[in-house]
Amino acid sequence: SQQGEEDPQALSIQEGENATMNCSYKTSINNLQWYRQNSGRGLVHLILIRSNEREKHSGRLRVTLDTSKKSSSLLITASRAADTASYFCATDNDYKLSFGAGTTVTVRA
Amino acid sequence: EPEVTQTPSHQVTQMGQEVILRCVPISNHLYFYWYRQILGQKVEFLVSFYNNEISEKSEIFDDQFSVERPDGSNFTLKIRSTKLEDSAMYFCATREWVNTEAFFGQGTRLTVV
Repeated sequence: SQQGEEDPQALSIQEGENATMNCSYKTSINNLQWYRQNSGRGLVHLILIRSNEREKHSGRLRVTLDTSKKSSSLLITASRAADTASYFCATDNDYKLSFGAGTTVTVRA
Repeated sequence: EPEVTQTPSHQVTQMGQEVILRCVPISNHLYFYWYRQILGQKVEFLVSFYNNEISEKSEIFDDQFSVERPDGSNFTLKIRSTKLEDSAMYFCATREWVNTEAFFGQGTRLTVV
């Protein structure tokens, strides 16, 4: 399966701390994307990293991609209570996005 | 900011009935998708649609399901003869081109009773 699998399944951190989650996948990809979902609402795109890129930043988000290990990581720095959500990686190939099960992040005030 | 609009937000239907879920894509987007998410579980791909035809579908998307874009604007998912296990959130997503970000609607919560 080309879909990503996130690790850990759940993460609880204190406000101000960093949150790191990982994604592994099995097949070749064109790009890998990260999405966020608040409590049963629609998914919101966070960042896209192409297969020829190794690292990308967007505000407090940092994404890495290692195609040799078929893995990616998402780092959220200086977390806030509003970052509480589920985070999904999605592999993009063959005209569709395939999602993993997600990491649920809880940021404690 | 442009957004994908889904209607209804919540639908309750009797088992065996047909339902139609509707999505209005962002105007210049060419690729359309339906996903579903059973409560607390992963987001599952159902079908992708481009140029008025299905480009890919998953094993879930069997003869019970169909999609169309009847009037050039709405993109619909029809579920015939609904089953209890069809209860889920159904998300429409669209994107301008392949290998770009996807925009998701807020979802339709389907409850089959």
